Amino acid sequence: QVQLVESGGGVVQPGGSLRLSCAASGFPFSTHAMHWVRQAPGKGLEWVAVISSDGSNKYYRDAVKGRFTISRDNSKNTLYVQMNSLTTEDTAVYYCARQLVGTLSGLDYWGQGTLVTVSS
Amino acid sequence: QSVLTQPPSVSGAPGQRVTISCSGSSSNIGAGYHVHWYQHLPGTAPKLLISSNSNRPSGVPDRFSGSQSGTSASLAITGLQAEDEADYYCQSYDSSLTRRVFGGGTKLTVL
Repeated sequence: QVQLVESGGGVVQPGGSLRLSCAASGFPFSTHAMHWVRQAPGKGLEWVAVISSDGSNKYYRDAVKGRFTISRDNSKNTLYVQMNSLTTEDTAVYYCARQLVGTLSGLDYWGQGTLVTVSS
Repeated sequence: QSVLTQPPSVSGAPGQRVTISCSGSSSNIGAGYHVHWYQHLPGTAPKLLISSNSNRPSGVPDRFSGSQSGTSASLAITGLQAEDEADYYCQSYDSSLTRRVFGGGTKLTVL
């Protein structure tokens, strides 16, 4: 069955960096675009970034452009996000999600999330 | 403030029907971009309930249905059950922001 397992969350000081990983299994990883979505404490879901199935196209929300880099290793079935220059506004549970095949399709499988806390 | 507007909360008694609205604009829902709906219990993985306005993924009960008209979309839940108590989010694409957008979320309480 499809599984997405995030890791790499933790506590980091403002200005610090963190790399999150999302290990995928149970489906042909290289055929699906993948997303990162976050949820700050007490807030709603917020889309962060997307990477195309072959990794050639990447898009970000404005608030993370230039600070976050989404990437994937299709040989390892793993999605990543490198987060630099973190601020307290980035504190959230980060979810990776699989996109249904097709342009702008829904996100049909999600991981359990990993918590990132930015605090001094 | 979210680009897609949802009511903060709705409620209903077991067995009743409730609807959750998602109001957008001419740059997202009104432009023809599809709406997807998710069910989320905090601390768990969100679940895709409805894709592309009205399609139910395999395994989602037919008590859940979606519709879209003009710049708005709706999620309807019939035969309300205690297990339906969760947060619900609509999601689409916005051509002005050039990115995916979520509604602010609606907390469903089963009385």
